[in-house]
Amino acid sequence: EVQLLESGGGLIQPGGSLRLSCAASGFTFSSNTMSWVRQAPGKGLEWVSTISGSGGSTYFADSVKGRFTISRDNSKNTLYLQMNSLRAEDTALYYCARGGRGQTFDYWGQAALVTVSS
Amino acid sequence: EIVLTQSPGTLSLSPGERATLSCRASQSVSSSYLAWYQQKPGQAPRLLIYGASSRATGIPDRFSGSGSGTDFTLTISRLEPEDFAVYYCQQCGSSPYTFGQGTKLEIK
Repeated sequence: EVQLLESGGGLIQPGGSLRLSCAASGFTFSSNTMSWVRQAPGKGLEWVSTISGSGGSTYFADSVKGRFTISRDNSKNTLYLQMNSLRAEDTALYYCARGGRGQTFDYWGQAALVTVSS
Repeated sequence: EIVLTQSPGTLSLSPGERATLSCRASQSVSSSYLAWYQQKPGQAPRLLIYGASSRATGIPDRFSGSGSGTDFTLTISRLEPEDFAVYYCQQCGSSPYTFGQGTKLEIK
């Protein structure tokens, strides 16, 4: 059974940094792209970032480019999102998601809540 | 960036009725890279359709997807009580992998 478990969320002041983790199990982690998708309170889904299976290719939304870094440790089956220079508008639930057929997101975690507020 | 516009914003129907949800892209999207997701309150999204028309694993056959180019449709043939939720389309062919703003399907 595929499982994705996010951790590392919390309350952080504007300008601060936070690192999210996503522990994966139930599949060959290195074979799949992985992504982060966020959802601000009461809003829709926003794609944040994607990383290839090897970690050699990364992609970012313009809204986080230069502030967020995505990485993975295939030996630990874990995906990361390093978030720097956080802003109030980064407040959201952050989901990790596995890349599936047609580059869709076929499995999702239950999300980590990030709140940016003073 | 490809902008996806979903309509209607809210759809009010009764169980047993047919639902038709639209997703229009600002530029052509390869059919291979158009997906639909369902999200219920307090839950993570669930993949319904990939490649515009292929059902994901475990998705009932009352859900179907169609379309090409810039116009795509999700159809639910006969609504069940558990189908009332928010539905999102997504293009996953070119970064940024944008989502539509969602259609809320509510019980009439």
